[in-house]
Amino acid sequence: SSELTQDPAVSVALGQTVRITCQGDSLRSYYGSWYQQKPGQAPVLVIYGKDNRPSGIPDRFSGSSSGNTASLTITGAQAEDEADYYCNSRDSSGNHLVFGGGTKLTVL
Amino acid sequence: QVQLQESDPGLVKPSETLSLTCTVSGGSISTYYWSWIRQPPGKGLEWIAYIYYSGSTNYNPSLKSRVTISVDTSKNQFSLKLSSVTAADTAVYYCARDLYHYGSGLGYWGQGTLVPVSS
Repeated sequence: SSELTQDPAVSVALGQTVRITCQGDSLRSYYGSWYQQKPGQAPVLVIYGKDNRPSGIPDRFSGSSSGNTASLTITGAQAEDEADYYCNSRDSSGNHLVFGGGTKLTVL
Repeated sequence: QVQLQESDPGLVKPSETLSLTCTVSGGSISTYYWSWIRQPPGKGLEWIAYIYYSGSTNYNPSLKSRVTISVDTSKNQFSLKLSSVTAADTAVYYCARDLYHYGSGLGYWGQGTLVPVSS
């Protein structure tokens, strides 16, 4: 079982804002990272650290953290944002990496 | 631009050892942390292990007894061995690199290689 918990599925209307959350005790100590994965493709890092986007990631993606919860927000969701999203962080020991179970985002 | 490429071991039989190599190009392996991650068909991501170029390693506790990770800096490669495989080990296996320091986010990924385990 994963030490990071995500909702299995979330939907958003085109152009609206959606928040995807990730809960886990280790998030009180370590930042979460977020990945977008489309079918048949490798995951792509979209948010890391406090709220940082790698080069090439649109600024409609943002991250935040509070207590044991990390969040990924997409402001003005686009059709191409439909994908699986995974959070990732260190575990409570700090020695290992863990992934959340993933959230399937549907853009309506 | 750093690029990672997994080898393709083909079909692996149950009870045998799965062996994978990740070749790094566009940068030196002699820094950063290098990880293996896998994804069974239709399921989520699972971190397997990491290695630092110096040889320091860490393993997923659930797989530790069967996994060995190693690095060959002369070839700019790192490798994974998973022993005593079963059908449950069928997955797409990815190699990846942290963006900066360990736990900073896996910013570079290989394309992945599907490894079926079947007799």
